[in-house]
Amino acid sequence: GESVGLHLPTLSVQEGDNSIINCAYSNSASDYFIWYKQESGKGPQFIIDIRSNMDKRQGQRVTVLLNKTVKHLSLQIAATQPGDSAVYFCADITGFQKLVFGTGTRLLVSP
Amino acid sequence: GAVVSQHPSWVICKSGTSVKIECRSLDFQATTMFWYRQFPKQSLMLMATSNEGSKATYEQGVEKDKFLINHASLTLSTLTVTSAHPEDSSFYICSARDGDRDFYEQYFGPGTRLTVT
Repeated sequence: GESVGLHLPTLSVQEGDNSIINCAYSNSASDYFIWYKQESGKGPQFIIDIRSNMDKRQGQRVTVLLNKTVKHLSLQIAATQPGDSAVYFCADITGFQKLVFGTGTRLLVSP
Repeated sequence: GAVVSQHPSWVICKSGTSVKIECRSLDFQATTMFWYRQFPKQSLMLMATSNEGSKATYEQGVEKDKFLINHASLTLSTLTVTSAHPEDSSFYICSARDGDRDFYEQYFGPGTRLTVT
């Protein structure tokens, strides 16, 4: 991920809609990617991960897509619910190194 | 399983004093623990990585004499903010890696809100 700080982009959706949150990463050698959900005042919560040898992975209501050509990662949340409102971060790891977090996107779900 | 706790969850201290934050892995042995700092509306920034029984590795720009990290056991790491100043006010989050599981899995604590007055 590319952590540039200061401004959190916001995605506003209606309950029941599908949400797509995007993330760009900078290191073409990154081999593991994770999406985290962070609610206000809490630590990050693991949502889903994907390795670089895959381009899609599905979980419960969530799908992660990886496009290594353009170094882009997306998180799709189906049938978004008010409880999905949070800040979502992508993170990546290169080799046996540290997690690098992206800027984050605030998801606001209105009833 | 794989629960990480932090204590305290929030703390207020006066400028110039020191404050210690604990990070515990409750149901696994954490061979490696990480400390992050997060300012409002910003991402998590790694401060340091600690391995049990050895000195922590600090990220560039993080003062090791100001942020003292001790990883004395496989279930406990502590971060001590020495001579705290208002600019140290932040949300501090730890994470832990289970030595018996996939290298890539990290488990995050709930965070500690530090306010320096």
